[in-house]
Amino acid sequence: DTGVSQNPRHKITKRGQNVTFRCDPISEHNRLYWYRQTLGQGPEFLTYFQNEAQLEKSRLLSDRFSAERPKGSFSTLEIQRTEQGDSAMYLCASSLVGTYDEKLFFGSGTQLSVL
Amino acid sequence: DAKTTQPNSMESNEEEPVHLPCNHSTISGTDYIHWYRQLPSQGPEYVIHGLTSNVNNRMASLAIAEDRKSSTLILHRATLRDAAVYYCILTNTGNQFYFGTGTSLTVIP
Repeated sequence: DTGVSQNPRHKITKRGQNVTFRCDPISEHNRLYWYRQTLGQGPEFLTYFQNEAQLEKSRLLSDRFSAERPKGSFSTLEIQRTEQGDSAMYLCASSLVGTYDEKLFFGSGTQLSVL
Repeated sequence: DAKTTQPNSMESNEEEPVHLPCNHSTISGTDYIHWYRQLPSQGPEYVIHGLTSNVNNRMASLAIAEDRKSSTLILHRATLRDAAVYYCILTNTGNQFYFGTGTSLTVIP
């Protein structure tokens, strides 16, 4: 078990550029979550997948954000036309659903800075 | 999303027990009570969870009130490595994990 892996760890970009983050979940996990966290706040839910299906997106998620999980394996989160307000830590978590109690396993996150 | 209330911050002396409270008066009968913690510069990590009965694991204990409207995470002997933000979350099978702002625990040497 290598845990949840996120790449890159840090990303600095200029306003208006597109960025893409990758998350590799724990291999047998069927659910994958994306969260965003700003300083002093708890993680904020963005979206989640069960296998390859995206089952829910937060109402706070603008249409500049898109996520995919092809073949139910790794996932990517893309932000188009980045804004300074997008600066945050982007966290990925995975879990195994099917038992009565689901536990999340988080990666170390991707820190995005938009200049 | 189910609501929990936690103190913003708490302090504890090293090697002393710590009791971190959480109120969840609107909990439903099928909601699980989860605790996660987040160390600086890391993603949150699972600590413990329960439904009705008190739970123990190698990291902590979870005491759940009889009416389930509150719970307490107990760290039996705080160490400096326990300094973190602790989140109390209600969740249900198929529902999301919504994090609040948590309790920032400071451990004093």
